[in-house]
Amino acid sequence: EDQVTQSPEALRLQEGESSSLNCSYTVSGLRGLFWYRQDPGKGPEFLFTLYSAGEEKEKERLKATLTKKESFLHITAPKPEDSATYLCAVLHGSGNTGKLIFGQGTTLQVKP
Amino acid sequence: DAGVTQSPTHLIKTRGQQVTLRCSPKSGHDTVSWYQQALGQGPQFIFQYYEEEERQRGNFPDRFSGHQFPNYSSELNVNALLLGDSALYLCASRVQGFGNIQYFGAGTRLSVL
Repeated sequence: EDQVTQSPEALRLQEGESSSLNCSYTVSGLRGLFWYRQDPGKGPEFLFTLYSAGEEKEKERLKATLTKKESFLHITAPKPEDSATYLCAVLHGSGNTGKLIFGQGTTLQVKP
Repeated sequence: DAGVTQSPTHLIKTRGQQVTLRCSPKSGHDTVSWYQQALGQGPQFIFQYYEEEERQRGNFPDRFSGHQFPNYSSELNVNALLLGDSALYLCASRVQGFGNIQYFGAGTRLSVL
C-alpha cells in the first residue's frame, strides 16, 4: 500500500538557521511527488512537483530534491514568514486519474 | 484569475443531519477532487469528478456522495453526520491529464455537535 511519512512532525528554527524536512515514501511506481505549504485555516498552496530521482527544484529559500525512497525540502536562511505546515504528497493512479496521498505534515516555526 | 472557491467557509451541524458543500474550480480546470483533513493530519482523498462522473474514490462510506455540474463546479454531500466527520473539507481542481498540478481552495470547516 502506498504510504508517505514526514519527519520531523514539528521543527523550531531561529531566523537564518537552515534545515531540511524529510518525506519518505513507499509507492508502486512513482508518478509524481508534490510539496505544498499550508497556513493555519487555509488550503494547501502548491510549491513544487518532482517526477524522477535526481530532480531538483528551487524557489526563493526553498529547494526540493528527490531520490528513489525520499524527498527533502531544504530551507536556507529561513525567515519568520516561512512558518507554516509543509505537506508532501505522492500521486497515485493510472492514466488520467490521480489522487494525492499525503503525509501528516511538518509544522515549521521560525523565530526572529 | 479566481482560484478555487469553496462555500460556505464554516458550518455547524448536529449528528444525523445532512450537509452540502460547494466548490468552483479554477478557471480552465475540468477535474475536481475532494479531500477531508482532520486536525493535525494530512488531507485524505474522498473522490474525484471528471465529465460529471465519479472517476476515483477513496476509503469513505457511501454517506459521502458528490456531483459535478456541466460548468465543472462540484458539490460534496454528507448524510447522517457523525461527530467524526468534523474536519476541514478541501476541494482541489486541475486540468485533466497525467500529473497535472492540483490547486486547492481554502476549505470548509465543518463542525458536528
